[in-house]
Amino acid sequence: AQSVTQPDIHITVSEGASLELRCNYSYGATPYLFWYVQSPGQGLQLLLKYFSGDTLVQGIKGFEAEFKRSQSSFNLRKPSVHWSDAAEYFCAVVFMEYGNKLVFGAGTILRVKS
Amino acid sequence: EAGVAQSPRYKIIEKRQSVAFWCNPISGHATLYWYQQILGQGPKLLIQFQNNGVVDDSQLPKDRFSAERLKGVDSTLKIQPAKLEDSAVYLCASSFRTGSYNEQFFGPGTRLTVL
Repeated sequence: AQSVTQPDIHITVSEGASLELRCNYSYGATPYLFWYVQSPGQGLQLLLKYFSGDTLVQGIKGFEAEFKRSQSSFNLRKPSVHWSDAAEYFCAVVFMEYGNKLVFGAGTILRVKS
Repeated sequence: EAGVAQSPRYKIIEKRQSVAFWCNPISGHATLYWYQQILGQGPKLLIQFQNNGVVDDSQLPKDRFSAERLKGVDSTLKIQPAKLEDSAVYLCASSFRTGSYNEQFFGPGTRLTVL
């Protein structure tokens, strides 16, 4: 069955350190892939998306993600984390035969320590 | 451009009471979605409208949840009667249209606490 997995519930990084959040999916083809961020009391904001083409995708706020077909992964990265990046991050997937239906992972809470 | 509006932002009710949430999508967006986000989980789609018609309500607990989108613009989601497990954030999203993928824009959500 199609699924989205974010293995890390919480991650803590120091301000200025690099960040990688993991996302894996289970699907027989390449889905549409997304990363969203949710700050406390806020709605979900789209960071970046991958549909096809270049497997390294640039997003807003200095984030990037790399699609690796062989690993069924779409990990989010940032070279230098800022305290304002503390939030919850969701990987989401559209499995094509289900139309526009977004399926979300359980989320990873990012804490940034100074 | 105004974003997706939702009200109320917070609601506390007793179990077995009724509650309704309101959503106003981005102007011109034909597709509207309601998601349920339980603490510690990602959002889960409850219902999807295309204009005023239902596209997908397969995960809507129809014995207690109902939703409507009269005139194809605003939408309301109702829970009657509420259970403890309905405590969650209810997110509304809209997109320009359905079909091939269109970005969904999310509102701030309504946090429901059922006591």
